[in-house]
Amino acid sequence: NAGVTQTPKFRILKIGQSMTLQCTQDMNHNYMYWYRQDPGMGLKLIYYSVGAGITDKGEVPNGYNVSRSTTEDFPLRLELAAPSQTSVYFCASSYSDPRFNTQHFGDGTRLSIL
Amino acid sequence: DQQVKQNSPSLSVQEGRISILNCDYTNSMFDYFLWYKKYPAEGPTFLISISSIKDKNEDGRFTVFLNKSAKHLSLHIVPSQPGDSAVYFCAASEGGANNLFFGTGTRLTVIP
Repeated sequence: NAGVTQTPKFRILKIGQSMTLQCTQDMNHNYMYWYRQDPGMGLKLIYYSVGAGITDKGEVPNGYNVSRSTTEDFPLRLELAAPSQTSVYFCASSYSDPRFNTQHFGDGTRLSIL
Repeated sequence: DQQVKQNSPSLSVQEGRISILNCDYTNSMFDYFLWYKKYPAEGPTFLISISSIKDKNEDGRFTVFLNKSAKHLSLHIVPSQPGDSAVYFCAASEGGANNLFFGTGTRLTVIP
């Protein structure tokens, strides 16, 4: 019973490098989300998707890109890593409206930019 | 600008006693509120929610109270158990939106 799977769990990047954080869910959920959590802060929404082919910006989208070609996968791309992107990244999914449909979270990717 | 605020970063409670976690919000358009619980090295998990048409919702040992005039909600855990030790996040959503706004979290420690 996998739920939401995020890879990698940890990563260290150098400034200016790029990488893709992977997220996949096996619950056939329509909605998927990417959050970041900085130390002592709440989760802030980066991007979300309400279905394959549809994505939209959240509170803090700058420096990131996403795509949603399938229902299952929602990768997050960092093009030019900056120290300000050091954070823990969480992917989540829900069947639909997150008010009435529980968001299921992955275990996070801890990313350090040095 | 933090629309959902949890002003107590931490709380310690003796096992068996009541834990009260507080949350304030600034956006009067929020109409649905949720609490999530997070253990270290794991993602948050849903705990309990409340609609703005209610002022109380109960689920076992967990009760959420909503005071719309004060823009305040609280989570009561009775009785508290050591397994409740975790970080608790309050979240809110506005009708028609597709996302949640999370607070900064309160770390609850239940002392055996």
